[in-house]
Amino acid sequence: GQQLNQSPQSMFIQEGEDVSMNCTSSSIFNTWLWYKQDPGEGPVLLIALYKAGELTSNGRLTAQFGITRKDSFLNISASIPSDVGIYFCAGRSNSGGSNYKLTFGKGTLLTVNP
Amino acid sequence: SAVISQKPSRDICQRGTSLTIQCQVDSQVTMMFWYRQQPGQSLTLIATANQGSEATYESGFVIDKFPISRPNLTFSTLTVSNMSPEDSSIYLCSVDTQGNTGELFFGEGSRLTVL
Repeated sequence: GQQLNQSPQSMFIQEGEDVSMNCTSSSIFNTWLWYKQDPGEGPVLLIALYKAGELTSNGRLTAQFGITRKDSFLNISASIPSDVGIYFCAGRSNSGGSNYKLTFGKGTLLTVNP
Repeated sequence: SAVISQKPSRDICQRGTSLTIQCQVDSQVTMMFWYRQQPGQSLTLIATANQGSEATYESGFVIDKFPISRPNLTFSTLTVSNMSPEDSSIYLCSVDTQGNTGELFFGEGSRLTVL
């Protein structure tokens, strides 16, 4: 099946620093999404990307849909303590029976030191 | 977006028993999805639940182990049957309210611990 390689697995940064994480795939996706999960909560959608090359921002968050459609990155600028959590990338292809299926990366655990 | 409520939020269960998780959505949705998140792991799709038809299960998941009901457009249940410690996970209900955009909204999850 499709697999997403998400890196880094974890990050420890100081408040105010910028953060970058990315996902790569061996297959093409038509949609890339980034989610954040706080402890004890379900994932919350941060950014959705639908076109190759698309660059989208949501406050301090910026994500891009790679030109090859096999990768995406998420940047967080000027991190704050509430950015702590697990960030997941997810991709979706529109091929046949997997039309509705999202494939999730393994997540990046972000820790922000005040 | 959607407000998705799951019950129970957490439970401790005995080996061999079964537990049914409920998912209630505040709007009518066509597609509902059940995910499993094992400790420290990513999300894995168990099945897609459509109203009025049998659920579609992903590879590695079977109806006898994870029976699903979808009686209407705002409600679904997932049963974890004959539980073992390996079933200890967070089970998440999700919906696509925008009509097949892939933008899933998740409930808070049901954390099951099987002793």
